Amino acid sequence: ETGVTQSPTHLIKTRGQQVTLRCSSQSGHNTVSWYQQALGQGPQFIFQYYREEENGRGNFPPRFSGLQFPNYSSELNVNALELDDSALYLCASSLPPTGGKDTQYFGPGTRLTVL
Amino acid sequence: AQTVTQSQPEMSVQEAETVTLSCTYDTSESDYYLFWYKQPPSRQMILVIRQEAYKQQNATENRFSVNFQKAAKSFSLKISDSQLGDAAMYFCAYNPIIQGAQKLVFGQGTRLTINP
Repeated sequence: ETGVTQSPTHLIKTRGQQVTLRCSSQSGHNTVSWYQQALGQGPQFIFQYYREEENGRGNFPPRFSGLQFPNYSSELNVNALELDDSALYLCASSLPPTGGKDTQYFGPGTRLTVL
Repeated sequence: AQTVTQSQPEMSVQEAETVTLSCTYDTSESDYYLFWYKQPPSRQMILVIRQEAYKQQNATENRFSVNFQKAAKSFSLKISDSQLGDAAMYFCAYNPIIQGAQKLVFGQGTRLTINP
């Protein structure tokens, strides 16, 4: 069984640039969620994708967007990067949403630094 | 809005001893799920244990067990026979049972140190 993988591991960008982070879900999982974890904080929900559509969104501006592909992999895109976007970005995969009971399994994260 | 509070930023315990990490949450929902995740220095969030709110019996996974007090909205994690590999950040998380997105709400975390 293949776990959740993310790429790249680390990324350095400058303010105003755009970035794309990638995630491959665990085998058999068709739902992908993205979280932002600032240094010293707990993760915060960005959005979730199911059946290639956004299935829910947290309190993040529209410059945070995503995609899910037919193979269930996903991308997180962030436009017009700000210094506060520096964080660990975690991807989690799960079985189809059935009201909250399905456990989310996390990838190792991508560390984004915005200078 | 649902919130999760972990009041202990740091905890330490001697190897082989028992430690309890605290978590409280605030919700108006009656059905939900609660989780403890562990995040070692490798950064990957690893599921430790899961509790379904409608089940009165406390969940147990080997050396890990929870004390779930629904009325008090408390969900503590007990680690027995602590091992060096248990050293990590521990996050308590809440997931409401709702239609649509599964959205984990995390606490701020507790850093657990194991002293040899």
